[in-house]
Amino acid sequence: QQQVRQSPQSLTVWEGETAILNCSYENSAFDYFPWYQQFPGEGPALLISILSVSNKKEDGRFTIFFNKREKKLSLHIADSQPGDSATYFCAASDTGGADRLTFGKGTQLIIQP
Amino acid sequence: GGIITQTPKFLIGQEGQKLTLKCQQNFNHDTMYWYRQDSGKGLRLIYYSITENDLQKGDLSEGYDASREKKSSFSLTVTSAQKNEMAVFLCASSNRGRGNERLFFGHGTKLSVL
Repeated sequence: QQQVRQSPQSLTVWEGETAILNCSYENSAFDYFPWYQQFPGEGPALLISILSVSNKKEDGRFTIFFNKREKKLSLHIADSQPGDSATYFCAASDTGGADRLTFGKGTQLIIQP
Repeated sequence: GGIITQTPKFLIGQEGQKLTLKCQQNFNHDTMYWYRQDSGKGLRLIYYSITENDLQKGDLSEGYDASREKKSSFSLTVTSAQKNEMAVFLCASSNRGRGNERLFFGHGTKLSVL
């Protein structure tokens, strides 16, 4: 059973547009949601994260929108740049329980100049 | 800052061979992890260790062994490589292993089995 789902699998947007990456989860006990960014040939690196007590988290051009009732969240990348081209993983954990991060399958983002 | 070093970067093996991957971290983190990354399948946890000589199974532990001989190193053994297997193995560490901690990843070991 896949606990964290991401869509789309692949996304291409033009430079300067807002890229929207979606994530949904099954386990209502999940309360921490990080997004990791991975460039080819490198390991993933933490980009931004949110706790379930919040519905929005901003860090520069990156914003997470979180809807606890629908068990959905999204990562918005504003004014997207070619350097944002990477694979983005949504992850989730239940910090009061098993505690291990569960990763989605990733969205490959391509920014066309 | 710190770094996670994985060796080797590339590993080519034969079917049935026992293969060992190594990972070193200088963050002084308590917890270390091994993940497997297959194209289109995300990251799946193989083993993790919360302290020296500790081992905990992840979702994908069958077919693997791991060893945490000291705090800074964590090795993974593929007990019998499968023909045509191709995956990237990622090592990571975090401070105390809590679910809301940042994971720091190495660059990966890419495995190909002939």
